[in-house]
Amino acid sequence: NAGVTQTPKFQVLKTGQSMTLQCAQDMNHEYMSWYRQDPGMGLRLIHYSVGAGITDQGEVPNGYNVSRSTTEDFPLRLLSAAPSQTSVYFCASRAPVTGRDGYTFGSGTRLTVV
Amino acid sequence: AQTVTQSQPEMSVQEAETVTLSCTYDTSESNYYLFWYKQPPSRQMILVIRQEAYKQQNATENRFSVNFQKAAKSFSLKISDSQLGDTAMYFCAFMKRRFRPAYSGAGSYQLTFGKGTKLSVIP
Repeated sequence: NAGVTQTPKFQVLKTGQSMTLQCAQDMNHEYMSWYRQDPGMGLRLIHYSVGAGITDQGEVPNGYNVSRSTTEDFPLRLLSAAPSQTSVYFCASRAPVTGRDGYTFGSGTRLTVV
Repeated sequence: AQTVTQSQPEMSVQEAETVTLSCTYDTSESNYYLFWYKQPPSRQMILVIRQEAYKQQNATENRFSVNFQKAAKSFSLKISDSQLGDTAMYFCAFMKRRFRPAYSGAGSYQLTFGKGTKLSVIP
């Protein structure tokens, strides 16, 4: 059972480039989320999904797009990378029935935009 | 909107001693969960302990326990017999239930995090 898998683990982009951060989970979780972590800021919610075909914005959605075509996958797209998007990105998932187990997190992607 | 405040950016403790990390939160919700997550240098987010708001009894997990004061909106983490492996960032997190009629009754639970406390255990 792999849990939540994020790829890549590290990435360097030039300003203006686009890329997709991949996230996949094999626990049949309906709820999936993307967070970014910046020094001194904790983790902030970018986008989330409550099931295939359903997504919504979080606290800091600007500059990011998401889609959810399957239960397993929830990619995060940067259309035109900016230095302000330099951060560590975490994908997380949980089952919707109960919240007591919290979210399971991937190992993160460290993104640097130069 | 919910807010979570961790007022101690950094703390240190001697090995084998006890340390308490503070967390306060602000919400108008009555049904929610509170969590402590640990992030070691490996960057992995690890769930340490959880508390359900409707339970008065404080949660415990081995050396980790919480002091949950619902009226004061306080949720502190106590680590007993601190070990070198406890060195990490610790995040307090709140999770509410948000209702969206368009989702046919499916609520969305999203985590709101504090800014974290960096704990160093000193040999």
